[in-house]
Formats: sequence, structure tokens, C-alpha cells
Amino acid sequence: AQSVTQLDSQVPVFEEAPVELRCNYSSSVSVYLFWYVQYPNQGLQLLLKYLSGSTLVESINGFEAEFNKSQTSFHLRKPSVHISDTAEYFCAVSDHQGFQKLVFGTGTRLLVSP
Amino acid sequence: NAGVTQTPKFRILKIGQSMTLQCAQDMNHNYMYWYRQDPGMGLKLIYYSVGAGITDKGEVPNGYNVSRSTTEDFPLRLELAAPSQTSVYFCASSYPGTANTEAFFGQGTRLTVV
Repeated sequence: AQSVTQLDSQVPVFEEAPVELRCNYSSSVSVYLFWYVQYPNQGLQLLLKYLSGSTLVESINGFEAEFNKSQTSFHLRKPSVHISDTAEYFCAVSDHQGFQKLVFGTGTRLLVSP
Repeated sequence: NAGVTQTPKFRILKIGQSMTLQCAQDMNHNYMYWYRQDPGMGLKLIYYSVGAGITDKGEVPNGYNVSRSTTEDFPLRLELAAPSQTSVYFCASSYPGTANTEAFFGQGTRLTVV
């Protein structure tokens, strides 16, 4: 069975500071990893994903995540956060590239203050 | 392009009542899913469907039923509402592709059972 652990339930940070949101997973088969973002009172939106190839993946709004197979991690980073990045971030894993039956972590709430 | 549409957005039910949460997608996606989101628990898969007429249980199916008579619609039925079903429900859909695969989520239905 697969599982995802997000150890930090909440991460407070000041605007323009760097941030890392941690995600560790366990799986006995090949994994496909995702980060989703949920803004207040909205549904989830895909932020970035790792399916294969380069272990470093980037999003269009400056986030990046690195797949580390030996450490079973997929941490999310951003070098300089904005107020608008305040949201809840979910790490998720799937064992099938084309079938999105996702197993989610418990989420990390990123709070960016001025 | 509307994407994934869920109705209603909010609902209060009394214990023992029944209701159907509606979900429709206009992207011609084969795969559809129902998740529930509880505070601090992340999202859990309730039911999923890989095409019209085909459904299967997810991680937490008890107390729910689904049907998939068309590609577009995937309603979730609660027969005898219980306080434990108070949650936010998300419907999602995806296309069985590879590199471009992504699950699209609806805005959610916030259900309270009293």
C-alpha cells in the first residue's frame, strides 16, 4: 500500500523568504508524484508532477520539487514566496501514470505574512 | 470550458436523510473520482469509475453509492446520512493519458449532517 507523509501541518513564513514543504512517501511499486494547491474555498489545482525523466520539476509560478528515490522524498521549494502563495499544499502519489487514483498526504498550510 | 462542476456547493442534512451530490465534466474524461476531505486528514478516495457503467470502491466507500450511466456524470448518493459524513466532497476527472495526465477537481460540496 502507498502512503504519503507531510510532517508540517503549518508553515509560517515572511514574504520574499524561501520555503520548503516536506513530503515523504512509501510505495512498493513505481510511483508518480504530485503537488496540488488549494486556495481558500476552492478545489485543488495541480502545481507540478513527476512522472519520469528529470528528477527536478518546476511549476510556472516559481515552485520546484525534486524526486529523491533513495530518501523517498518529493519536497516542494520556492526561493522567494509571495503573499498570494498562502494556501494549503497537498502531496500525492499514484502507482499508475494514466490513472489518477491518488493517495494524498494530510496537507501543509503555507501562511505568508508581510 | 466549465471543467468539473459540482452541485450543490453547500448542504445541511438531518441524520437519516438522503441526498445526491452531483458531478459533471465536459472534458470527455473516462476516469472520474469522488474524494472526501476532513480537517487534518487530507483527501480520501470514496469511489471511482473508469468509464460509463464501471465503478469501484476506494478507501472509504461505506455509507455511499455511485452510478455512472454516462461519460459526463458521476453522482454520489448518501442513503442514510450520519454525522460522520460531515465533510467536504470533491469530484475529479482525468483522461487516461501519459505525460499530460492530470486530475481536474471541482469546487467541492460542503456537507454538514446534524
